[in-house]
Amino acid sequence: NAGVTQTPKFQVLKTGQSMTLQCAQDMNHEYMSWYRQDPGMGLRLIHYSVGAGITDQGEVPNGYNVSRSTTEDFPLRLLSAAPSQTSVYFCASSYQRTGPTDTQYFGPGTRLTVL
Amino acid sequence: AQSVAQPEDQVNVAEGNPLTVKCTYSVSGNPYLFWYVQYPNRGLQFLLKYITGDNLVKGSYGFEAEFNKSQTSFHLKKPSALVSDSALYFCAVRVRGANNLFFGTGTRLTVIP
Repeated sequence: NAGVTQTPKFQVLKTGQSMTLQCAQDMNHEYMSWYRQDPGMGLRLIHYSVGAGITDQGEVPNGYNVSRSTTEDFPLRLLSAAPSQTSVYFCASSYQRTGPTDTQYFGPGTRLTVL
Repeated sequence: AQSVAQPEDQVNVAEGNPLTVKCTYSVSGNPYLFWYVQYPNRGLQFLLKYITGDNLVKGSYGFEAEFNKSQTSFHLKKPSALVSDSALYFCAVRVRGANNLFFGTGTRLTVIP
């Protein structure tokens, strides 16, 4: 299994540009999520999905959209990039949709810089 | 509201010495606690978790953590540190019915040869 994969690894955008961060998992996990990691702030939840066709907002959803058309993929879209969105983005997945005890598995991350 | 505190930004320890990385939490309800490790330019790797039962949890790479309900703590420990343990460590908490995994701000562990 490849686990959780993310593309691209690095991205530089100009303010106002849009882009999609890709995330895929091959573990048949129902739950997928996106976090951003900022210095001194740990990881914060952006959006999550408990299954195909179901998404919901996390702690910091503004400026981001998600969709979940398949179990495997969970892309994150930046609609109009802002410098405040410069961060490292991690995708994670876990098996059960309502399992707070489940271990989340993380992808390698995407480092995004918005100029 | 749920929160996790890692009071030390940086922990230095000599190779071969025991190490402790501290974590305290604040939740309404029973907590599910996790430790993750992040090596440079890598994603987070799961180390161990406390769900219920024995307060001492053993995990990957010789790490263990002790759940202390009265002190609301979940400190990460290892009897003998290795240079390869140098990394960024995150504590996280979740409660039943919540989808969010709340992370602490991380502690950078440096093991000195």
